Amino acid sequence: DIQMTQSPSSLSASVGDRVTITCRASQSISSYLNWYQQKPGKAPKLLIYAASSFHTGVPSRFSGSGSGTDFTLTISSLQPEDFATYYCQQSYSTPFSFGQGTNLEIK
Amino acid sequence: EVQLVESGGGLAQPGGSLRLSCAASGFSFRSYAMHWVRQAPGKGLEWVSAISASGDRTYYADSVKGRFTISRDSSKNTLYLQMNSLGAEDTAVYYCAKDGYTYPLRNYFDSWGQGTQVTVSS
Repeated sequence: DIQMTQSPSSLSASVGDRVTITCRASQSISSYLNWYQQKPGKAPKLLIYAASSFHTGVPSRFSGSGSGTDFTLTISSLQPEDFATYYCQQSYSTPFSFGQGTNLEIK
Repeated sequence: EVQLVESGGGLAQPGGSLRLSCAASGFSFRSYAMHWVRQAPGKGLEWVSAISASGDRTYYADSVKGRFTISRDSSKNTLYLQMNSLGAEDTAVYYCAKDGYTYPLRNYFDSWGQGTQVTVSS
């Protein structure tokens, strides 16, 4: 099974900050890496798929990069609505594993 | 607009059974693979199971293999998860999610339901 490790597990930042979250796979997953945002009590929402492709309606301040085993999600200028938990997920092979999540909090 | 509405959650006894349903609308249900993903209280997301668009292929996490069965009824636009031999470790919010393509491999979950709570306790 492929293990996904995110860092950091939690992050405090301010509105306007540039933030980067890292995700590492235990083996190469090519570009089959997705990013989701989840707010408390709500379902996750797809942000980025195939490592760097934007899902419909996602603001351009979000971007993804990487391939193989190392991936990043970057938020260029944090907005108040961006404070949430972010998960990476590999779709290369079953079981489709998620990272443990990164909780992005307001500083 | 894609809508996914889960139902069937509730309180189950250890060793008991529940069947979850996910009613889909706003897209061609028969054209897309579907998934179940769960989230235990205060924990992260765990993929549970997937089914191809036609229903000919199913996939399971090791933690539920042999106990859970995923199925779909395209005439009713509904996805199901039959859960047997439930244990405390199955307590979670269960989400259904739509895949981006016909077969659930190397894709993504592009729409999610609001979730249904399953609690396993005596």
